[in-house]
Amino acid sequence: DIQMTQTPSSMPASLGERVTISCRASQGISNYLNWYQQKPDGTIKPLIYYTSNLQSGVPSRFSGSGSGTDYSLTISSLEPEDFAMYYCQQYDSSPPTFGGGTKLELK
Amino acid sequence: EIQLQESGPGLVKPSQSLSLTCSVTGYTITSGYDWSWIRKFPGNKMEWMGYISYSGSTNYNPSLKSRISITRDTSKNQFFLQLNSVTTEDTATYYCARYLDYYDGYYRYFDYWGQGVMVTVSS
Repeated sequence: DIQMTQTPSSMPASLGERVTISCRASQGISNYLNWYQQKPDGTIKPLIYYTSNLQSGVPSRFSGSGSGTDYSLTISSLEPEDFAMYYCQQYDSSPPTFGGGTKLELK
Repeated sequence: EIQLQESGPGLVKPSQSLSLTCSVTGYTITSGYDWSWIRKFPGNKMEWMGYISYSGSTNYNPSLKSRISITRDTSKNQFFLQLNSVTTEDTATYYCARYLDYYDGYYRYFDYWGQGVMVTVSS
């Protein structure tokens, strides 16, 4: 299985701050990388698919980039509703696997 | 609007079977895509368990292959998870989700998720 290493595991941040979450695959995944957000109530939704494509309805402050083994999710200016858990997920090979998650916390 | 809702017992004894139901509204599961089970363990690790496709074929995570079965009832627009011989390591929140696939597989992601159901394995 492809291992996904997500950093940091937690991140204190302030409203309006720009933050970046990283995800590294144990081998190249050819941009087959998605990002999800999990809210404190448990709700999970997709944010970014195929490295950099914004899911419909997701604010433009979210963006994704990367290639090869290294990918990142950037939030350009944190809003109150962005404090949540974030996961990356690869689908280059089966089984699809997830990163360990990043908890974005209010500083 | 597409909605998925998990249901099932919140407590299962070790060595028994875990059985969950995912009820889907707003989309017919035989119309397309793959219908997955994913779990999130205490400590936040997430694991894809498997799926049943719109045609009824299944694909399981090899780590679970000997214990897992995903089936469906098309008349009720539901699909099911059965996990046998559970241990405390199977304690997790279980989610059902639609696994979207388009643009020749370039775009493949879980686009609709249920709220999750917490299952504890304990005697």
